[in-house]
Amino acid sequence: DTAVSQTPKYLVTQMGNDKSIKCEQNLGHDTMYWYKQDSKKFLKIMFSYNNKELIINETVPNRFSPKSPDKAHLNLHINSLELGDSAVYFCASSHVRTGGFETQYFGPGTRLLVL
Amino acid sequence: GENVEQHPSTLSVQEGDSAVIKCTYSDSASNYFPWYKQELGKGPQLIIDIRSNVGEKKDQRIAVTLNKTAKHFSLHITETQPEDSAVYFCAATSGAGSYQLTFGKGTKLSVIP
Repeated sequence: DTAVSQTPKYLVTQMGNDKSIKCEQNLGHDTMYWYKQDSKKFLKIMFSYNNKELIINETVPNRFSPKSPDKAHLNLHINSLELGDSAVYFCASSHVRTGGFETQYFGPGTRLLVL
Repeated sequence: GENVEQHPSTLSVQEGDSAVIKCTYSDSASNYFPWYKQELGKGPQLIIDIRSNVGEKKDQRIAVTLNKTAKHFSLHITETQPEDSAVYFCAATSGAGSYQLTFGKGTKLSVIP
């Protein structure tokens, strides 16, 4: 009974291609996130959506475009892939409430390799 | 913004010994501090968390302590087992009511049988 799922699990592609990663959560959460984990395991927030609205957009190249068709889905589209985009991308979700913070649940990750 | 420092970056312990990982944070308004365990090839999984109105929390072999004055928090694992081997991340909110978690750089824990 998967809580946060991502597809694909592995993605190998050539420089310059465009690719998408999909994320779905069945936890009923209202907020979803994309993180990038580099080769040194550092986890960094890229985007966050609350009720389908963008609320966090860190310094990420505009080649990366998140799209949230509904509260349960947050997809990541990447244009003109570069070697430096190779990393593991994690989707996460949580509830967010005023004055507090709720646990973020992570998906299994998508391992992107750009050749 | 928030800055989270985590030490050590690697830690090796004998099975049965205790392991301690320490983190410091910069934003005094931060109010939520989770710890995640990431096994090889998997996503981070929450193992314990603590809120700023509590000084200590324990769950079986795992405990977390928080010192708001000094702005540091620690993870304690007792009676370590080989299955505890993983990368552990601390995190903190970027401010009260913030949507954003800032993560430490991780500690790779190896438990030697």
